[in-house]
Amino acid sequence: KQEVTQIPAALSVPEGENLVLNCSFTDSAIYNLQWFRQDPGKGLTSLLLIQSSQREQTSGRLNASLDKSSGRSTLYIAASQPGDSATYLCAVHGSGNTGKLIFGQGTTLQVKP
Amino acid sequence: GAVVSQHPSWVICKSGTSVKIECRSLDFQATTMFWYRQFPKQSLMLMATSNEGSKATYEQGVEKDKFLINHASLTLSTLTVTSAHPEDSSFYICSAPTGGSNYGYTFGSGTRLTVV
Repeated sequence: KQEVTQIPAALSVPEGENLVLNCSFTDSAIYNLQWFRQDPGKGLTSLLLIQSSQREQTSGRLNASLDKSSGRSTLYIAASQPGDSATYLCAVHGSGNTGKLIFGQGTTLQVKP
Repeated sequence: GAVVSQHPSWVICKSGTSVKIECRSLDFQATTMFWYRQFPKQSLMLMATSNEGSKATYEQGVEKDKFLINHASLTLSTLTVTSAHPEDSSFYICSAPTGGSNYGYTFGSGTRLTVV
């Protein structure tokens, strides 16, 4: 059974810092991995999607990497801003393209001005 | 981009009543819709998968008679929480595959259900 773990659960940093969020999964047979942002009481916004054959994806100040063999992904946020404050969720799409996403519990980020 | 519109955003209902939540794909056809539930400070847990024109598939432990799912068209899926109880209070959110080479997913904005 696939399990997804995110570390740390919460993170508070001053504005301008570069930071790394971690995601690990127990079954390396995945279809893809997706990082989402969730603001309090809101839905999810897709940030980056990495296919199982890819090593990383970049969008603006965000860079996500994937090491499928070790069951790990990281989300790197450069030059953090107060507007980046949110909960970041990692979700794994298992093999077979069933469409089922298994979510981690998220990392709640606070960027202080 | 692909948009899933979810309504209502929040609802308060009395115990024993039923609540319907709608998810509409606005600019694409969603043959499949996934329904998730999120309790406070917890992550999203898949409840069921609905497919247009067929019965929904429920995850283990989810009561299909309590959480009625209908996917009658390619753009609309509904979740009805029947005979709601306080323990059903949660954040419900739907998601549809957006297709294409990336096989990503678009999520609705979620529904906060409070049963009093």
